[in-house]
Amino acid sequence: QKEVEQNSGPLSVPEGAIASLNCTYSDRGSQSFFWYRQYSGKSPELIMFIYSNGDKEDGRFTAQLNKASQYVSLLIRDSQPSDSATYLCAVTHYGGSQGNLIFGKGTKLSVKP
Amino acid sequence: DVKVTQSSRYLVKRTGEKVFLECVQDMDHENMFWYRQDPGLGLRLIYFSYDVKMKEKGDIPEGYSVSREKKERFSLILESASTNQTSMYLCASSLDRGAQPQHFGDGTRLSIL
Repeated sequence: QKEVEQNSGPLSVPEGAIASLNCTYSDRGSQSFFWYRQYSGKSPELIMFIYSNGDKEDGRFTAQLNKASQYVSLLIRDSQPSDSATYLCAVTHYGGSQGNLIFGKGTKLSVKP
Repeated sequence: DVKVTQSSRYLVKRTGEKVFLECVQDMDHENMFWYRQDPGLGLRLIYFSYDVKMKEKGDIPEGYSVSREKKERFSLILESASTNQTSMYLCASSLDRGAQPQHFGDGTRLSIL
């Protein structure tokens, strides 16, 4: 059973701080990793994706991937109240009969002004 | 930008009715997906399709069926709606099942009375 685990939170950080969101996955064959943001009552919105070990930066967001340890993280620098949302980690095993995304249940982030 | 359009944002139906949820994407994506999302349970895959007229069961297909007659359109059918099918339904599409992200529609909040 392929699994993706996230701390449900809520993770509370003050405005301007760095928010660190973590995700672990069970399938060593996973190749592609995605972070989605979901505001309450809305649909998931893609923030970033990462395929290779290391860091990938996009504006205030940095995705970090460590395949040996089977974790992927998302850092949000200079957190803003508008970043308050649930963040979903999604992982895919590219190959086999499935190759679909497996989603974690999400971490709820609250940024306090 | 990828545009995935779901036919209704909110829908109220009665127990036993046959319910159709429609989804259209404008990016010529091969793959389309139907999920439901419930508090505490996360996103659960109902059905997916990787080509016209092709369909595959996801994790929770019971009580649902799908139709994909055209590449851009993927329909979810509740054969005989029941109250436990009250949920948020999300449609998504992707270019590649494994390596590319899924893009979501706005969702349909379905209530079965």
